[in-house]
Amino acid sequence: AAGVIQSPRHLIKEKRETATLKCYPIPRHDTVYWYQQGPGQDPQFLISFYEKMQSDKGSIPDRFSAQQFSDYHSELNMSSLELGDSALYFCASSLLDRGETQYFGPGTRLLVL
Amino acid sequence: AQTVTQSQPEMSVQEAETVTLSCTYDTSESDYYLFWYKQPPSRQMILVIRQEAYKQQNATENRFSVNFQKAAKSFSLKISDSQLGDAAMYFCANKYGNKLVFGAGTILRVKS
Repeated sequence: AAGVIQSPRHLIKEKRETATLKCYPIPRHDTVYWYQQGPGQDPQFLISFYEKMQSDKGSIPDRFSAQQFSDYHSELNMSSLELGDSALYFCASSLLDRGETQYFGPGTRLLVL
Repeated sequence: AQTVTQSQPEMSVQEAETVTLSCTYDTSESDYYLFWYKQPPSRQMILVIRQEAYKQQNATENRFSVNFQKAAKSFSLKISDSQLGDAAMYFCANKYGNKLVFGAGTILRVKS
């Protein structure tokens, strides 16, 4: 079965640079979620989109922005990168039905030097 | 605020034995969803099992089952016939609105 696709899988950036992470949800899924997992931590919710509209917002820094496009893929844009942004970034997708089980992609490992 | 507590930072089990991972949560919702996710060394987040709060019957998926105690707000995961491939970090999660709120995780080690 098709899974969530994230690209790139690994990314190395310098401080103050910009990064763009991409997420392609499972076909027919209409909701996308972004999570950040720091070293030794549990995933923290950043933001979600349903039908291309922001549906919920968590602890996402103002330096980050995200959107969902007409083909349902989503992009997380991160500017003015800081050392503390180094983390594993997950995208998950779900279908808006009772339960809305979230299926996670493999993650993008971002290292800020 | 929604919180999820996993009180066991680390657990060990002998291969082929049974182990139970604990999870408690706090919610003001009457209808909600609970999940267990597995994160192996690859760090992929893999859904293990899901429980709907309105269902009294405990969810089961092959060797994985839960003990859902709604009144006690407890949601433990039982792994039967443990296998080496079960070694991973296990996260309990509560769906709150659109987001998942995770516990701190339990590292499960499987001894051969």
